[in-house]
Amino acid sequence: DAKTTQPNSMESNEEEPVHLPCNHSTISGTDYIHWYRQLPSQGPEYVIHGLTSNVNNRMASLAIAEDRKSSTLILHRATLRDAAVYYCILRDRGSGGGADGLTFGKGTHLIIQP
Amino acid sequence: DTEVTQTPKHLVMGMTNKKSLKCEQHMGHRAMYWYKQKAKKPPELMFVYSYEKLSINESVPSRFSPECPNSSLLNLHLHALQPEDSALYLCASSQGNPGGYYGYTFGSGTRLTVV
Repeated sequence: DAKTTQPNSMESNEEEPVHLPCNHSTISGTDYIHWYRQLPSQGPEYVIHGLTSNVNNRMASLAIAEDRKSSTLILHRATLRDAAVYYCILRDRGSGGGADGLTFGKGTHLIIQP
Repeated sequence: DTEVTQTPKHLVMGMTNKKSLKCEQHMGHRAMYWYKQKAKKPPELMFVYSYEKLSINESVPSRFSPECPNSSLLNLHLHALQPEDSALYLCASSQGNPGGYYGYTFGSGTRLTVV
């Protein structure tokens, strides 16, 4: 899977929007952009994924740049429960039946201040 | 059922013990995974069972051996572990094909301590 670059940490205030950036300049045309998060002492949790168009779900929004070399995960109104490590991961559309697994980078440690 | 269930949640074992970690999912997913996570590090892939075929991360020592009795169950057998094997062991599943399209569902992990 192609490499992604994320800031090591970010800080935000409770009840404010949070924009988590991810750079993926070597993305291929068949790579999906996936986001997971991991709360303390828990397993990773799927957040959202997309290919070209912006995506929304109950947890977050994913904004994908027109050239697809970067994306932004948007938490519309952060709560203390959103404090976690957020991982941006590229997954090829084929990915051999899932046989290669997810490869995690270091992610962004999101700190929410009350 | 949209969960991956891992048992036990905590395990302490001696270096001469044999133990097994269990993982179960009833979502009809055809791919299941074992990950190892050390403190303050990202998860690292150990094994994949995809459509009954095993793929191994070659850096994983032979004291870890996976077993997939059926498409819903995944075990990780542990034998003669070392203290540095102490970690959080995570199980995950996904629908499989096409690999990039579907998300993964993770269990909450087994916290393993080797003494």
